[in-house]
Amino acid sequence: QQQVKQSPQSLIVQKGGISIINCAYENTAFDYFPWYQQFPGKGPALLIAIRPDVSEKKEGRFTISFNKSAKQFSLHIMDSQPGDSATYFCAASRDTGRRALTFGSGTRLQVQP
Amino acid sequence: NAGVTQTPKFQVLKTGQSMTLQCAQDMNHNSMYWYRQDPGMGLRLIYYSASEGTTDKGEVPNGYNVSRLNKREFSLRLESAAPSQTSVYFCASTTQGAGELFFGEGSRLTVL
Repeated sequence: QQQVKQSPQSLIVQKGGISIINCAYENTAFDYFPWYQQFPGKGPALLIAIRPDVSEKKEGRFTISFNKSAKQFSLHIMDSQPGDSATYFCAASRDTGRRALTFGSGTRLQVQP
Repeated sequence: NAGVTQTPKFQVLKTGQSMTLQCAQDMNHNSMYWYRQDPGMGLRLIYYSASEGTTDKGEVPNGYNVSRLNKREFSLRLESAAPSQTSVYFCASTTQGAGELFFGEGSRLTVL
């Protein structure tokens, strides 16, 4: 049973455009929601994370939007650049991140020049 | 600073063979994890160790065993490899629970 559902599976965006990746979760006990970025041949690395006491968190061109009632959260990449081309994973965990992360299935983003 | 180091990076096994994937971290982290990554399925937790001396099953533990050798090292063993275990395996660590995970670069395993 997939506890964190991620969409789309792949995404092509033009340089300068906005990339949007969505995730939905089922377990209402989740209280920590990070996004990881993975380049080919490398391990995932933390990009940005949010806790459910806020509805939005912004770091540079990356923004997480969180909707607790809908049990959904999304990653927005503004002014997308070719260097953003990577696979993105949403994740969730309980106990303010002290439990093991459950990951979504991943989104392969390609930003075209 | 090496971070999380995994060995080997690549391995080809025949069905039924055994092998151990090694992981070491130099960040003094308490918690360590093994995930497998398969196309379209994201990262799935195999086993984790919240602290030295403890190990727990994750989502997909069948066919695997682990050993937390000391605070730095966490190994994953396949006793009798099966083609379904063909995957990329990632080791990760964190300082407290599952806050920011630091991943190794992965070990690509093919079972023929």
